[in-house]
Amino acid sequence: EADIYQTPRYLVIGTGKKITLECSQTMGHDKMYWYQQDPGMELHLIHYSYGVNSTEKGDLSSESTVSRIRTEHFPLTLESARPSHTSQYLCASSVATGTSGRETQYFGPGTRLLVL
Amino acid sequence: GEDVEQSLFLSVREGDSSVINCTYTDSSSTYLYWYKQEPGAGLQLLTYIFSNMDMKQDQRLTVLLNKKDKHLSLRIADTQTGDSAIYFCAESKRAGRRALTFGSGTRLQVQP
Repeated sequence: EADIYQTPRYLVIGTGKKITLECSQTMGHDKMYWYQQDPGMELHLIHYSYGVNSTEKGDLSSESTVSRIRTEHFPLTLESARPSHTSQYLCASSVATGTSGRETQYFGPGTRLLVL
Repeated sequence: GEDVEQSLFLSVREGDSSVINCTYTDSSSTYLYWYKQEPGAGLQLLTYIFSNMDMKQDQRLTVLLNKKDKHLSLRIADTQTGDSAIYFCAESKRAGRRALTFGSGTRLQVQP
């Protein structure tokens, strides 16, 4: 069982508010990821990090920002929430195992965001 | 086009076998994974297969890999209502900017 947590699980907020979605893992994984999952189920990578002070944008352009000051935390921030940001946000972490580079991503339970 | 493709929906009766299919385009993929997502939850790793294997079995789950056709399948034997979920296949590459590329997910509905 993976130890990766996301808070809040559900958030309803008005347009223009600043929000931070928290993600933390206790496994010491170097790599962490944020995915946005739209109602059609598809996962889109929006941010990832290979370690402390390392952040990169993913495949899908996002107005959110991330930071990685500590290995265990990878918070995602929206400075000014809009209805178009309504989605589910999934955080994951991974570590390479073995010599062949197998990586397993462990997912948090997700944050379901609704912006009114 | 998409790197990893899946059909969107599959419906089976309880007790039947389910086969969920996935195709990928990158021949350098090293590992291929199946994840399960239940309603309102994150993704849970079900199983994985290394690219030099043809088949892997784990209890009710059988993964078949046809590397020539870049086709991956997940067979669930004796499907139960608790298997109803969205199933994602994913690939990882030998070297790349990120670990996994996910398919769009297949929604499995199991009818009693």
